Amino acid sequence: NAGVTQTPKFQVLKTGQSMTLQCAQDMNHNSMYWYRQDPGMGLRLIYYSASEGTTDKGEVPNGYNVSRLNKREFSLRLESAAPSQTSVYFCASTRGDTEAFFGQGTRLTVV
Amino acid sequence: SQQGEEDPQALSIQEGENATMNCSYKTSINNLQWYRQNSGRGLVHLILIRSNEREKHSGRLRVTLDTSKKSSSLLITASRAADTASYFCATAPGTYKYIFGTGTRLKVLA
Repeated sequence: NAGVTQTPKFQVLKTGQSMTLQCAQDMNHNSMYWYRQDPGMGLRLIYYSASEGTTDKGEVPNGYNVSRLNKREFSLRLESAAPSQTSVYFCASTRGDTEAFFGQGTRLTVV
Repeated sequence: SQQGEEDPQALSIQEGENATMNCSYKTSINNLQWYRQNSGRGLVHLILIRSNEREKHSGRLRVTLDTSKKSSSLLITASRAADTASYFCATAPGTYKYIFGTGTRLKVLA
């Protein structure tokens, strides 16, 4: 049982480049989330998807877009990367009002 | 601003001692959860306490919840070096919108 899988694990981008972070879960969970974590900080919610076909903004959505491709997959896109988006990105999923399962993170550096 | 705020920000104790960390939150909740994060890794769920519960135990973990004060505490008894990690509380002020606190960095010295 793989749980939540994120790709890639590491990425370096130049300012202005675009990229998509991929996330897939195999637990048949309805809800999925994208967070960012900056050094020494907690997690800040970027976007979430309560169920397939719906997405909503979190605390820090500016500069990001998301797609809930199907029940398994939830992708995060940076259209024009900025140094301020250097962070570790975590994807998570939940069945509902229960524990969240996290991926291992994507370390993104924007130079 | 963060929904949850953990206190203290950092805690250093000797192996075998108990560790207590606190979480305060701002809005009403259905449940409150605690997670552990080892350095550079994803978060791992530890325990969930519902709003109608006041205390819950799981192994060496004890969680309390005071909804009147909008606060929770996590107690780790008989700490071990392997407990060294960051600990976060999480709440859902709106349906499915999980918000995490800033975390407590625990260091257990052998």
